[in-house]
Amino acid sequence: EIVLTQSPGTLSLSPGERATLSCRATQSVSSKLAWYQQKPGQAPRLLIYEASNRATGIPARFSGSGSGTDFTLTISSLEPEDFAVYYCQQRSKWRGSFGQGTKLEIK
Amino acid sequence: EVQLVESGGGLVKPGGSLRLSCEVSGVTFSNAWMSWVRQAPGKGLEWVGRIKSKTDGGTTDYAAPVTGRFTISRDDSKNTLYLQMNSLKTEDTAVYYCTSVLRFLEWSDSWGQGTLVTVSS
Repeated sequence: EIVLTQSPGTLSLSPGERATLSCRATQSVSSKLAWYQQKPGQAPRLLIYEASNRATGIPARFSGSGSGTDFTLTISSLEPEDFAVYYCQQRSKWRGSFGQGTKLEIK
Repeated sequence: EVQLVESGGGLVKPGGSLRLSCEVSGVTFSNAWMSWVRQAPGKGLEWVGRIKSKTDGGTTDYAAPVTGRFTISRDDSKNTLYLQMNSLKTEDTAVYYCTSVLRFLEWSDSWGQGTLVTVSS
């Protein structure tokens, strides 16, 4: 079973700052990794898939990078609506799994 | 715009069964790959399983904790996805989301609002 570990657990930043979120897999998932955003009381939203491809309608300030076991989600300049929980997901095997999430909160 | 509407959640006793439904519109359902993802109260996301379109084989895959107890099926004539849950355990308590999945890439690109399943005596 592939386990995804996200860090940090909580990230406190101010609007306009750059956010860097990490996701590490226990074994290589190649580029089979996605990032989702979830706001309180809402369903998750797909941001990035195949490690670096932005989903439809996602602003350019969101970018993803990495391959193998180490991945990064970067938000170049935080907007007030970006404060949420972010999850990574792998689909390198026929069973998927999610990371435990990173909460991005306003400092 | 894809719309997914789950129903069928509720309170069930341990060992009981429940069937969730997800009505889909705004997409050619018969071509869609679909999945279920759950979220226990205050916890993170957990992938439950996925079903491919019939034209792509209709294959199902499941997470280890639900294999043998949960079954995903589809009725393309009704644009509806199902999740049959048997032998329910307290740890199955969660909001269950229906999602459409990018064909072959398997990422959940559209999500329903979720339906709450509570397993408790």
